[in-house]
Amino acid sequence: IAGITQAPTSQILAAGRRMTLRCTQDMRHNAMYWYRQDLGLGLRLIHYSNTAGTTGKGEVPDGYSVSRANTDDFPLTLASAVPSQTSVYFCASNPGGSSYNEQFFGPGTRLTVL
Amino acid sequence: GQNIDQPTEMTATEGAIVQINCTYQTSGFNGLFWYQQHAGEAPTFLSYNVLDGLEEKGRFSSFLSRSKGYSYLLLKELQMKDSASYLCAVVDSNYQLIWGAGTKLIIKP
Repeated sequence: IAGITQAPTSQILAAGRRMTLRCTQDMRHNAMYWYRQDLGLGLRLIHYSNTAGTTGKGEVPDGYSVSRANTDDFPLTLASAVPSQTSVYFCASNPGGSSYNEQFFGPGTRLTVL
Repeated sequence: GQNIDQPTEMTATEGAIVQINCTYQTSGFNGLFWYQQHAGEAPTFLSYNVLDGLEEKGRFSSFLSRSKGYSYLLLKELQMKDSASYLCAVVDSNYQLIWGAGTKLIIKP
């Protein structure tokens, strides 16, 4: 792999179901992020991790959880999906963990909750 | 609250020049990014400004005025492939990125 990969590419999910979005990077970046992007709104930060073993809450964390067991992987879990979580989800990383560095984005996961 | 304003949509002609403005009101300022996002794709980095002035990079330039809370992205010699959304993002006092909603740029032949 080169860069950041996300899986699945798209998913339709029934409300109330549990879902994990996967994100893997092979650039050995320290910091990783999960965003959601909705029409007419900017990217909104859900959760972030400045380094393996640590995580933090972003602007819209409710209904989502993350883990960072190692440098490469940063899965996002929706414990019980609701229709308002229908969105495009982007995973991103940056090398030094500083916000001065550009963020590299994965291709995104388009999630529809019915 | 924190706010970043960009025009929702702009139209320009192939070969012309277009300026996309971004104004911001944030708790602190530690730099401003511009990203390009083609429809259905991920954002990709264009530029980063932390000091006042103009940064030029090929056909794209980015300007910052911290005292005015203002930046613009200047695209010259427009090409059809420049049709995309352009996202402005500010690094706030907590070193988090605050994103604007983006400007959709339509290029016409």
